[in-house]
Amino acid sequence: NAGVTQTPKFQVLKTGQSMTLQCAQDMNHNSMYWYRQDPGMGLRLIYYSASEGTTDKGEVPNGYNVSRLNKREFSLRLESAAPSQTSVYFCASTLRREGVQFFGPGTRLTVL
Amino acid sequence: AQSVTQLGSHVSVSEGALVLLRCNYSSSVPPYLFWYVQYPNQGLQLLLKYTSAATLVKGINGFEAEFKKSETSFHLTKPSAHMSDAAEYFCAVSDMSGAQKLVFGQGTRLTINP
Repeated sequence: NAGVTQTPKFQVLKTGQSMTLQCAQDMNHNSMYWYRQDPGMGLRLIYYSASEGTTDKGEVPNGYNVSRLNKREFSLRLESAAPSQTSVYFCASTLRREGVQFFGPGTRLTVL
Repeated sequence: AQSVTQLGSHVSVSEGALVLLRCNYSSSVPPYLFWYVQYPNQGLQLLLKYTSAATLVKGINGFEAEFKKSETSFHLTKPSAHMSDAAEYFCAVSDMSGAQKLVFGQGTRLTINP
């Protein structure tokens, strides 16, 4: 099992450009999450999907959109990137029964 | 709403010394609590979890944590630090909703001195 995979690993964008971060899990998990990690701030939840077909805002959703494409895949889209979105983005998933989340390796995004 | 506070953004110990990383939480219901570790340029990996069973929880790599309800604490310890323990450590609390969202502390960077 690959667990949680994310693409790309690194990305550099110019202000105003758009991009989609991809996430997939092969553990048959119900819930999936997108976080951003910034120095000294821990991980903050951007959006989550409690189950296939549902998505909800987290703590810091502004400037982002998500799509739960199917049970395996959950993508994060930046429509018009801003320098404040420079961060490391992590995708995670869980079965929910015990709440343990499994994390992908992350995407390091720089917006110039 | 749940919240987590980790005391000390940086902790430095000598190899072989006790490791103590502090975590205090706020929760209106009995919480599920977690410690995760992040090695450089990697994702987060579960160290251990508390889900209302035994209050002393043992995790991987010799780490353990004790849930103290009266102190709303869940501190992480290891009796003898190893160079390979150098990493960033995150404490998290579950919001206990159907979506099982996690609220993370700010993280503590652990440095091991030879």
